[in-house]
Amino acid sequence: NAGVTQTPKFRILKIGQSMTLQCAQDMNHNYMYWYRQDPGMGLKLIYYSVGAGITDKGEVPNGYNVSRSTTEDFPLRLELAAPSQTSVYFCASVSDRVYGYTFGSGTRLTVV
Amino acid sequence: LAKTTQPISMDSYEGQEVNITCSHNNIATNDYITWYQQFPSQGPRFIIQGYKTKVTNEVASLFIPADRKSSTLSLPRVSLSDTAVYYCLVGDLDSSYKLIFGSGTRLLVRP
Repeated sequence: NAGVTQTPKFRILKIGQSMTLQCAQDMNHNYMYWYRQDPGMGLKLIYYSVGAGITDKGEVPNGYNVSRSTTEDFPLRLELAAPSQTSVYFCASVSDRVYGYTFGSGTRLTVV
Repeated sequence: LAKTTQPISMDSYEGQEVNITCSHNNIATNDYITWYQQFPSQGPRFIIQGYKTKVTNEVASLFIPADRKSSTLSLPRVSLSDTAVYYCLVGDLDSSYKLIFGSGTRLLVRP
């Protein structure tokens, strides 16, 4: 079992560029989440999904988009990168009844 | 969704027992209490989960009083490697899917 896999691990973007952060889980979890964590701060929820085809906004969704076409994958799209999006992005998944999240190892994104 | 309040930081020494308390005054009947540990540059890691009374595993104990308005994570005999941020999370996946992390408690273990 690989758990939650995030790619890439690091990325530098120029202002205005776009990119997709990939997240895949092999645990058949219905619930998946995207968080961002700024230096020295806690995690902020960007988007989440309760199953394939269903997504909803979290605390800080502006500037991001998501899709959930399969149970396994939950990509996060940045359309017009801004310096304020410099952060570490974590993807997580959890099963229906067991409460413990499984987190990916994160993607460190720098926008310059 | 129950809001949680934790101390911002705590200091301890190796070998001591550390107790981190989380306040969740508006916890709902179906809410569980879960604690996570996060090391720098890593995603949070599940430590322990409970609903009421006491839960113990190989890493920690979780104490929950009868009114469930608070909970205490107890780390026995901490070592330097326990230096991390600890998050308390309260919620129920059946009724609330937006699981929000609080600011966490930054624990520093000194030699």
